[in-house]
Amino acid sequence: KNEVEQSPQNLTAQEGEFITINCSYSVGISALHWLQQHPGGGIVSLFMLSSGKKKHGRLIATINIQEKHSSLHITASHPRDSAVYICAVTRGEYGNKLVFGAGTILRVKS
Amino acid sequence: GAGVSQSPRYKVAKRGQDVALRCDPISGHVSLFWYQQALGQGPEFLTYFQNEAQLDKSGLPSDRFFAERPEGSVSTLKIQRTQQEDSAVYLCASSLGLGVSGGPVIKTQYFGPGTRLLVL
Repeated sequence: KNEVEQSPQNLTAQEGEFITINCSYSVGISALHWLQQHPGGGIVSLFMLSSGKKKHGRLIATINIQEKHSSLHITASHPRDSAVYICAVTRGEYGNKLVFGAGTILRVKS
Repeated sequence: GAGVSQSPRYKVAKRGQDVALRCDPISGHVSLFWYQQALGQGPEFLTYFQNEAQLDKSGLPSDRFFAERPEGSVSTLKIQRTQQEDSAVYLCASSLGLGVSGGPVIKTQYFGPGTRLLVL
């Protein structure tokens, strides 16, 4: 079983829809990250959180430490949100290495 | 300011050839990471440097993989005697890490564009 599990693997939405991507992890972590990867490889960090909730524009990330679960929400989705969204957790002796989920491929249709 | 840069962006190698991949982190970033991303999968950790010290190399898949960061800035990932299974995107990331005064650790990692390696 992977240490970080994401669902769904693929998601197609209509423009304007509210989107939720889920992430569960099975190990102790120091932080959880949500990242966005566009075709061609570039990865951008969206959020880093260890408790509660963070919001940036139309993106909201929440984490429940007790349940080892996090969600990424996109409100009023837009075709430009189409990308791969990756959940990753920080662990390791130095709290350094990122352990990644497999990613969720999001396509928002206009 | 400039982000993390990697070179080359694309590399085609014949099986058995040695390759060297370069990463220029953001200036002043203490921590540097290498990840390997196979097609259709999430990245996987290879190794971690804090300044010039390689503190974690637990993800390197074999002794054909070697990484260095001799002056605590630019890093090179070297793969000897490349095999077809080495074909992947190699991502470099950097972060501020511990401040000089031992202040808070900032762990947001900034990623480079990656080097896409194809071994024929």
